[in-house]
Amino acid sequence: SQTIHQWPATLVQPVGSPLSLECTVEGTSNPNLYWYRQAAGRGLQLLFYSVGIGQISSEVPQNLSASRPQDRQFILSSKKLLLSDSGFYLCAWTGELAGASQYFGPGTRLLVL
Amino acid sequence: DAKTTQPTSMDCAEGRAANLPCNHSTISGNEYVYWYRQIHSQGPQYIIHGLKNNETNEMASLIITEDRKSSTLILPHATLRDTAVYYCTFYYGQNFVFGPGTRLSVLP
Repeated sequence: SQTIHQWPATLVQPVGSPLSLECTVEGTSNPNLYWYRQAAGRGLQLLFYSVGIGQISSEVPQNLSASRPQDRQFILSSKKLLLSDSGFYLCAWTGELAGASQYFGPGTRLLVL
Repeated sequence: DAKTTQPTSMDCAEGRAANLPCNHSTISGNEYVYWYRQIHSQGPQYIIHGLKNNETNEMASLIITEDRKSSTLILPHATLRDTAVYYCTFYYGQNFVFGPGTRLSVLP
């Protein structure tokens, strides 16, 4: 069966520090991968998605970036965090088939101080 | 321009059926409707999806109107553990679009 991992689970970082969040998927190949952010009490905001290694599409301009160095690995990064980057970051994957459902990881709660 | 419209919140008595509506009037003819739920501090959990016909699984039932502009998620016997935010969504372009969802409170 397929599983999705995210780490760390929680993170407290000072403003201006770098960020690296990692997501990996097991049990599938060629997944579509997604990064979402959720502010407290709000819905999900799509940040990036990837349909293959090295292929990244950005939905929202910001100081975050994403990379996909391997088929089942998706990384969210920042060179300098802002206070507004605080939130709940979720990684998700879907299969390639039309109509495939999306499955989410456990999330990383980031607090920028 | 909201792609889906759901009530902000709903209450349901424990053991009773919870019926959660969603309007998705802009959905195209070949897009599935998906439902997820999110319990506090966890990632969203897939519940069910459908295209035209009504669907049922071990978690819920999904009723889709004939014109496909709205759907209803039914939890037949709600429990306290069903308290969560429920999202309906569909593919828009290449991605899912999630609205703020419905906060369902199951009351003892």
